[in-house]
Amino acid sequence: GQNIDQPTEMTATEGAIVQINCTYQTSGFNGLFWYQQHAGEAPTFLSYNVLDGLEEKGRFSSFLSRSKGYSYLLLKELQMKDSASYLCAVTDSNYQLIWGAGTKLIIKP
Amino acid sequence: IAGITQAPTSQILAAGRRMTLRCTQDMRHNAMYWYRQDLGLGLRLIHYSNTAGTTGKGEVPDGYSVSRANTDDFPLTLASAVPSQTSVYFCASSDSGNYGYTFGSGTRLTVV
Repeated sequence: GQNIDQPTEMTATEGAIVQINCTYQTSGFNGLFWYQQHAGEAPTFLSYNVLDGLEEKGRFSSFLSRSKGYSYLLLKELQMKDSASYLCAVTDSNYQLIWGAGTKLIIKP
Repeated sequence: IAGITQAPTSQILAAGRRMTLRCTQDMRHNAMYWYRQDLGLGLRLIHYSNTAGTTGKGEVPDGYSVSRANTDDFPLTLASAVPSQTSVYFCASSDSGNYGYTFGSGTRLTVV
């Protein structure tokens, strides 16, 4: 079966750095997405990786290792507004998105 | 309209009633999707449409139907609602499978 694993919840301190991991087992691979979802709102696109390596976008970076079936989202200089759920999703061989259950990130002052 | 519009925002529905959730996009995206999101389970695909006139079943299609008469609209119908269909429903669209999805603001449905 297809499976995406990410931690259920993480806590970090304002101003710090946090890394949210995602491992996946899917039938084929055509890219990995990270989305941010604030409570009661729709998911919004953060990043897309299709090749191995690190993609940096401001305070957020996303890393992919296809051989390991592994990705992480790195958030730097954490702000209170970064409190949200972070969803990992993989596009399989049929170009369907397979979603992880999400990681709830709690930022403390 | 900018992006994807879903209606209603929320609804309380008696079990056994028929309900249609509306979804309209103005981005001319070919593909559209309906998801339900339940606590601890993440987003689960109900139905999808790769282009106008075609639809397909997702992971949890039972009890739901869709139609795609044109590019912009993708309504989701619950023929006879049951309490297990209580959820938050998101409509999404994409230009192609390799690019990000744009989501509507969601419909919170409670079946009692």
